[in-house]
Amino acid sequence: AQKITQTQPGMFVQEKEAVTLDCTYDTSDPSYGLFWYKQPSSGEMIFLIYQGSYDQQNATEGRYSLNFQKARKSANLVISASQLGDSAMYFCAMRELQGGSEKLVFGKGTKLTVNP
Amino acid sequence: NAGVTQTPKFQVLKTGQSMTLQCAQDMNHEYMSWYRQDPGMGLRLIHYSVGAGITDQGEVPNGYNVSRSTTEDFPLRLLSAAPSQTSVYFCASSGDGTNYGYTFGSGTRLTVV
Repeated sequence: AQKITQTQPGMFVQEKEAVTLDCTYDTSDPSYGLFWYKQPSSGEMIFLIYQGSYDQQNATEGRYSLNFQKARKSANLVISASQLGDSAMYFCAMRELQGGSEKLVFGKGTKLTVNP
Repeated sequence: NAGVTQTPKFQVLKTGQSMTLQCAQDMNHEYMSWYRQDPGMGLRLIHYSVGAGITDQGEVPNGYNVSRSTTEDFPLRLLSAAPSQTSVYFCASSGDGTNYGYTFGSGTRLTVV
């Protein structure tokens, strides 16, 4: 079973508008972390935002916020005031911590295109 | 500059050849991992390590070997390259309990012909 599900292969948004990228996850571990990464066409992986499973508040980093709904096991990324430079692949990832070990697993990604 | 260094950046192999993808980090991170990225598949975990001398298999370990003799280095070995191993390979590392994300290398684009 897939641990991280990103149901939107592609998304389009107008410049200056907000966009939500969906991510659901599956784990039975009470301690986990959720990450979002951006991969522009140049290929590098850029860390955007992190949410821990015990964090009470939703994480925010500048124009990025994470809408964390623990009961629904969702961790959607919200980008406010989209810019042309936001066009990229976006990956949701989950870190599982089990018995002193950890794994970071990724979803298949969402390609975001920002239109002028 | 501190970070994760992957070499080579590009490689072409013939089917059946072996090679080692190098990954080194200078941040004293305990956790290191290897991923492959294929179109439409996201990043899939190949092998990972939580410290020197400790490695474990990820989602797609077949055809790859790893070892972790030092904290800094985590090489990925292709034993007998196959066209199905054509991919972009990323190495990543993180410190213990980091909330600041994993640091990724710039990737190795491997083509097996």
